[in-house]
Amino acid sequence: GESVGLHLPTLSVQEGDNSIINCAYSNSASDYFIWYKQESGKGPQFIIDIRSNMDKRQGQRVTVLLNKTVKHLSLQIAATQPGDSAVYFCAEKGTGFQKLVFGTGTRLLVSP
Amino acid sequence: DAGVIQSPRHEVTEMGQEVTLRCKLISGHNSLFWYRQTMMRGLELLIYFNNNVPIDDSGMPEDRFSAKMPNASFSTLKIQPSEPRDSAVYFCASSSRGAGNQPQHFGDGTRLSIL
Repeated sequence: GESVGLHLPTLSVQEGDNSIINCAYSNSASDYFIWYKQESGKGPQFIIDIRSNMDKRQGQRVTVLLNKTVKHLSLQIAATQPGDSAVYFCAEKGTGFQKLVFGTGTRLLVSP
Repeated sequence: DAGVIQSPRHEVTEMGQEVTLRCKLISGHNSLFWYRQTMMRGLELLIYFNNNVPIDDSGMPEDRFSAKMPNASFSTLKIQPSEPRDSAVYFCASSSRGAGNQPQHFGDGTRLSIL
């Protein structure tokens, strides 16, 4: 199910480390952002979302940070585990629309 | 709770044949999205529906592609005739239209190979 570009950025970390995956978005009018995780042979799985009226949101072991000034989104994963190995996509949605625009993805490799 | 269900999971067929991909939405969801994912182009939105009505089909590659929602919980994506360049993984996703923005939830896709 992986379908990423040939030059997919890859982040390699050790088990137990904290991971930070970054994403630059394009539309300053976007009002909603989502992070997805995609494992091999599966569809993108919703992780966490954030609305543009917030700059930080926390979930279980994950935190999303939004910097609207520089149009930057990041996903922080605490105490990364081998099961976190996957491709991570950010997606943005413009005001008034339902279409999501997906980034190209980042591959996270977690070594035991 | 059952997620989005797609069938078949894999399809291999010869070029020129008709291909039909199926999707069952999550119960209570009323927006449906069809995506195509390839190595070179990533995840592309093909078409999306709200309440069974197609809203935006600008991503549909050409007239060989068509999508329908015969009822509120089911959709089909048809390719006729199929071509080798249609080979990809096809995903559908659904979302609810509750207050504010809602995430899309994806099925596990149909891996399509056109020989």
